[in-house]
Amino acid sequence: EDKVVQSPLSLVVHEGDTVTLNCSYEVTNFRSLLWYKQEKKAPTFLFMLTSSGIEKKSGRLSSILDKKELFSILNITATQTGDSAVYLCAVAMNYGGSQGNLIFGKGTKLSVKP
Amino acid sequence: NAGVTQTPKFRILKIGQSMTLQCTQDMNHNYMYWYRQDPGMGLKLIYYSVGAGITDKGEVPNGYNVSRSTTEDFPLRLELAAPSQTSVYFCASSYSRGEPQHFGDGTRLSIL
Repeated sequence: EDKVVQSPLSLVVHEGDTVTLNCSYEVTNFRSLLWYKQEKKAPTFLFMLTSSGIEKKSGRLSSILDKKELFSILNITATQTGDSAVYLCAVAMNYGGSQGNLIFGKGTKLSVKP
Repeated sequence: NAGVTQTPKFRILKIGQSMTLQCTQDMNHNYMYWYRQDPGMGLKLIYYSVGAGITDKGEVPNGYNVSRSTTEDFPLRLELAAPSQTSVYFCASSYSRGEPQHFGDGTRLSIL
């Protein structure tokens, strides 16, 4: 069965800390891995990763994929209270009619204290 | 730019009632998706569509139906609401299979 596992499920840090969120996956036919941030409402897209070892950065956020070990990490440096959210990892499939469909992990709930 | 719009935002139904959750997008995306999200769980795919007139089942389709008569609209129908369908429902769209999906703000549905 295809699955995506995120860890930890929840995390509490203080402003200024650096955090690393983990995502491992077991899928039959991998296309890409995506990270989303979910605050109160809609998940918003952060990164899409298709190649191993190439870091993607956006401000204080960065992410990297290891296709050999089947995992990805999302790093957030100098955390701010506005980073408090649920971070979702999803894997896109690459076969048949389900191509492009996403399988989501349960998410990591990050709380940043002032 | 409205993006993906879902209505209603909240709804309470009685067991056995039916309703339609509306989803429309103005980005001219071919691909549209319906997910449900239960507390502490990730999103699970209910149905998806690769274009007008074409729909297919996702991981958890039982108890739901969809239609796609236009590129813009992708309504989700619950025929006989059951307590197990209490959830937050998200609609999403993407330009192509390889592109990131864009999500609506969700519909919070309670069935009592």
